[in-house]
Amino acid sequence: EAGVTQFPSHSVIEKGQTVTLRCDPISGHDNLYWYRRVMGKEIKFLLHFVKESKQDESGMPNNRFLAERTGGTYSTLKVQPAELEDSGVYFCASSRPGQGAYEQYFGPGTRLTVT
Amino acid sequence: AQSVSQHNHHVILSEAASLELGCNYSYGGTVNLFWYVQYPGQHLQLLLKYFSGDPLVKGIKGFEAEFIKSKFSFNLRKPSVQWSDTAEYFCAVNVKAAGNKLTFGGGTRVLVKP
Repeated sequence: EAGVTQFPSHSVIEKGQTVTLRCDPISGHDNLYWYRRVMGKEIKFLLHFVKESKQDESGMPNNRFLAERTGGTYSTLKVQPAELEDSGVYFCASSRPGQGAYEQYFGPGTRLTVT
Repeated sequence: AQSVSQHNHHVILSEAASLELGCNYSYGGTVNLFWYVQYPGQHLQLLLKYFSGDPLVKGIKGFEAEFIKSKFSFNLRKPSVQWSDTAEYFCAVNVKAAGNKLTFGGGTRVLVKP
């Protein structure tokens, strides 16, 4: 099966600009997660979708971040306006419904640099 | 809030040496435990997981981990490493009562010298 894919792999933007990251989960995976790793620190949870619904968005840092998953397939994470501290690697993961939900499969990440 | 600690940030060892990476977490309830690995230029891959049952779990590539509930630990081991084990290793915890999200440790970079 195809893995989790993310686009773009790298993005360099200026402070104040907008960036949209995309994640395509593994087909059939109802659960989709966003994580972020900033400056070599630990990977931190941002939010969790079940199909198109936000199940848990406790990790979203502020209202400059907007995640969507229209139709319950791919997801986008928009940062508007971007700040310097938003630089980092943004990971997407997906997992099956039911008993397989705890085992998450990760994408390659999007490296975001805000200058 | 729960936290996960990985004791070593960097480990350097020679091929055939044994490897043990420490991981401790701070939550007392029911947890699922994971080790992920990220090889250079690749994405995070699941190395092994513990949900319940035998506290000694075996994963891919000869890795194993032991869950010691009384110590809140889930240490990763490999008896004899290879150069190809050079990677960053992440311990992660899922607190069942808090949904599916994973809480990660800071990662340990392992360099195996040929």
